[in-house]
Amino acid sequence: QQQVKQSPQSLIVQKGGISIINCAYENTAFDYFPWYQQFPGKGPALLIAIRPDVSEKKEGRFTISFNKSAKQFSLHIMDSQPGDSATYFCAASIVFYTGNQFYFGTGTSLTVIP
Amino acid sequence: GAGVSQSPSNKVTEKGKDVELRCDPISGHTALYWYRQSLGQGLEFLIYFQGNSAPDKSGLPSDRFSAERTGGSVSTLTIQRTQQEDSAVYLCASSEPAGTNSYEQYFGPGTRLTVT
Repeated sequence: QQQVKQSPQSLIVQKGGISIINCAYENTAFDYFPWYQQFPGKGPALLIAIRPDVSEKKEGRFTISFNKSAKQFSLHIMDSQPGDSATYFCAASIVFYTGNQFYFGTGTSLTVIP
Repeated sequence: GAGVSQSPSNKVTEKGKDVELRCDPISGHTALYWYRQSLGQGLEFLIYFQGNSAPDKSGLPSDRFSAERTGGSVSTLTIQRTQQEDSAVYLCASSEPAGTNSYEQYFGPGTRLTVT
């Protein structure tokens, strides 16, 4: 059972364009929604994250939009650059008193064409 | 460096052999996670350690998989009688103690396991 559903599986964007990756979840207990960026041969690295009490968070060219009622969140990459070409994972977490448990989407392979 | 380290970076083994994968988390991080990433796939949760609590083993795919964490720090993932479908990248991550404001997981570079 996939706790977090991610789309699209792959995405090709022209340099300077906007990349949009979407995720949806079912469990309303999730209280932390990070996005990870992974380059080939490397482990995922946190890119940006949001809590459910805000609808948007922006860091540089990266923005998370969060729709609590629809149980959806998305990553927007503005002015996409070839260096952004990587695999992106969304995730959702429930904070238990003993720690966090994370559920990941299946990933989106982004290619930015120069 | 202060990041999560994993060893070996690559491991090729014959079907049926046992393998051990090692993870050194960031010092002070009480939470440690193991994930499996198959080619072109997402991250599959395997096991989670938090401090001295009993580990959450709910993601282990079979009884051939086991993990331990000694002294609340280094962790070893063991796969017995390896099968070709075990071929994947095994990722380790750690995070700060529960109750802190940081939920961030820090990932290691992974161990690429190939079973021939």
